[in-house]
Amino acid sequence: GESVGLHLPTLSVQEGDNSIINCAYSNSASDYFIWYKQESGKGPQFIIDIRSNMDKRQGQRVTVLLNKTVKHLSLQIAATQPGDSAVYFCAHNFNKFYFGSGTKLNVKP
Amino acid sequence: GAGVSQSPSNKVTEKGKDVELRCDPISGHTALYWYRQSLGQGLEFLIYFQGNSAPDKSGLPSDRFSAERTGGSVSTLTIQRTQQEDSAVYLCASSLGRQALGGEQYFGPGTRLTVT
Repeated sequence: GESVGLHLPTLSVQEGDNSIINCAYSNSASDYFIWYKQESGKGPQFIIDIRSNMDKRQGQRVTVLLNKTVKHLSLQIAATQPGDSAVYFCAHNFNKFYFGSGTKLNVKP
Repeated sequence: GAGVSQSPSNKVTEKGKDVELRCDPISGHTALYWYRQSLGQGLEFLIYFQGNSAPDKSGLPSDRFSAERTGGSVSTLTIQRTQQEDSAVYLCASSLGRQALGGEQYFGPGTRLTVT
């Protein structure tokens, strides 16, 4: 069956450090990937996406890396801030969207 | 605002009662999705609408769950004879294009359902 999984359920980082959140997927035919951020009591918010014809995409303070060989996706947050504390979900699309269970990011001041 | 809205934000109901959850998608978005999120868990897909039709209902957990969409806009998720295991946050999302093409989904704030 289809799956999107996360390696670390909780990640604690010091303010100012870089954060890396990882995600694995099982379907090599997946062609579209998204990272979402969900703050407490709110719906998921789009952060960045990447299509399978790319291996890296950068946004503001965030970078998504896609390794299709090992079916691995990562989200890098530069200079992590307290406002980055949230649960981060990866999702991929193969005819429909599949979401991972999420990684909680705690940013320590 | 121009985002996805959901109502009510919170709903407490007694076991066995029926509930209706409403979603107002972003204007012009043809695709609409319902998800369920249990505490500390990821998103569980329930149903996908393209316009007023639902080509994918595969995530509805039982026949107590149903959803409709009218006018290509507002959607209602109905849960009949609620059970305690139905307690969760129900999230709605909308997007411009068809599900199979991918593309950003915009989420509403969710409805927190508690069945006592």
